[in-house]
Amino acid sequence: AQSVTQLGSHVSVSEGALVLLRCNYSSSVPPYLFWYVQYPNQGLQLLLKYTTGATLVKGINGFEAEFKKSETSFHLTKPSAHMSDAAEYFCAVSDRVTGGGNKLTFGTGTQLKVEL
Amino acid sequence: EPEVTQTPSHQVTQMGQEVILRCVPISNHLYFYWYRQILGQKVEFLVSFYNNEISEKSEIFDDQFSVERPDGSNFTLKIRSTKLEDSAMYFCASRGTASGGYTFGSGTRLTVV
Repeated sequence: AQSVTQLGSHVSVSEGALVLLRCNYSSSVPPYLFWYVQYPNQGLQLLLKYTTGATLVKGINGFEAEFKKSETSFHLTKPSAHMSDAAEYFCAVSDRVTGGGNKLTFGTGTQLKVEL
Repeated sequence: EPEVTQTPSHQVTQMGQEVILRCVPISNHLYFYWYRQILGQKVEFLVSFYNNEISEKSEIFDDQFSVERPDGSNFTLKIRSTKLEDSAMYFCASRGTASGGYTFGSGTRLTVV
């Protein structure tokens, strides 16, 4: 079974500082990888995904993530944090197999706080 | 941009009652899912639905739960005889292809009292 580990349930950065949210996965075959953001009392919004091709993936709102197979990691970064980035971030994986399943398995989430 | 629509946004029900949570996935999507998030916890998979049948379900998705796609546009989750521990945010999601991104609805917050 797949699993996702997000190190740090809470991360605090200053506005303008680098954001780094960590995600490691456990899977025998590299899965599809996703980052979602959840603002308070809202749903899950896709930030970016990796399925194949270039390992550095750019997403919305200036975020990017790099798939590193050797490290089984898919860390999320943003060069300069903005107050509006404060939210909960979820890393998720799904199998590469085709078919009707391909469920997402989520990490426990990282709450990002941005301070002035 | 196409959206997944969920109704209602909030529902309060008494323990033991049946509830139906409704979702309208993106129109040309083929794969449908229900997830739930208990307050303060991570998002958990409940069930996936493809080609008019359940393709996978979690151990949470027991006989108390059922899903339907009654008319080709709606996708419903029925919870029979609700329990206090069913209180959670329920998210519907859809995707167009097996490798595509999942689009989530904004959720239904279910409170069982």
